[in-house]
Amino acid sequence: QVQLQESGPGLVKPSETLSLTCTVSGVSITSYYWTWIRQPPGKGLQWIGYIYYTGSTNYNPSLKSRVTISVDTSKNQFSLKLSSVTAADTAIYYCARGVAETDANWFDPWGQGTLVTVSS
Amino acid sequence: QSVLTQPPSASGTPGQRVTISCSGSSSNIGSNTVNWYQQLPGTAPKLLIYSNNQRPSGVPDRFSGSKSGTSASLAISGLQSEDEAGYYCAAWDDSLNGYVFGTGTKVTVL
Repeated sequence: QVQLQESGPGLVKPSETLSLTCTVSGVSITSYYWTWIRQPPGKGLQWIGYIYYTGSTNYNPSLKSRVTISVDTSKNQFSLKLSSVTAADTAIYYCARGVAETDANWFDPWGQGTLVTVSS
Repeated sequence: QSVLTQPPSASGTPGQRVTISCSGSSSNIGSNTVNWYQQLPGTAPKLLIYSNNQRPSGVPDRFSGSKSGTSASLAISGLQSEDEAGYYCAAWDDSLNGYVFGTGTKVTVL
């Protein structure tokens, strides 16, 4: 059974860097691709970016200048860094497994999510 | 930035059929497959439909998806109280070179 668990600080100061880690269990991170999605309180979902185990990445153009996603295959983990955060980055951050098949891709399963608040 | 448009709300009584629309463009729904996610209150989203109309194992067959042109739909037949949740469509967008979600629809069971 594939499971994902986000971890990291729940409070980040404005202008600092948000850092989260997603620990994957039940499957090797060298299979599939791995993604981050966020959801501001009471609002919709926004895709942040994804990474393959090789280190190849793709980011949301609206966040690209501030986002870095990395992978640690030895720990079966992948991580998110978002720099220069503001209150607008306050959200529940989810990690998920990406599945790609011919002409199709989807996210399943998702982690439970972790709320990150940006405030001084 | 949601480029897929959904109605903000939908409702029905138990047993009724409810349909949720998802409107996109040629760069997303028009050229890529559509997925649907269900978000029960206070929980993480869960994959409900993938590749336009495929149900993952464990998803009841009263949930069905379809796609035509630049629009997609999710139908819930035989609505049940446990279906009260948020529903999001999603697809890859070739112009943005990224994955986009719909604006979300909250389904209420009356």
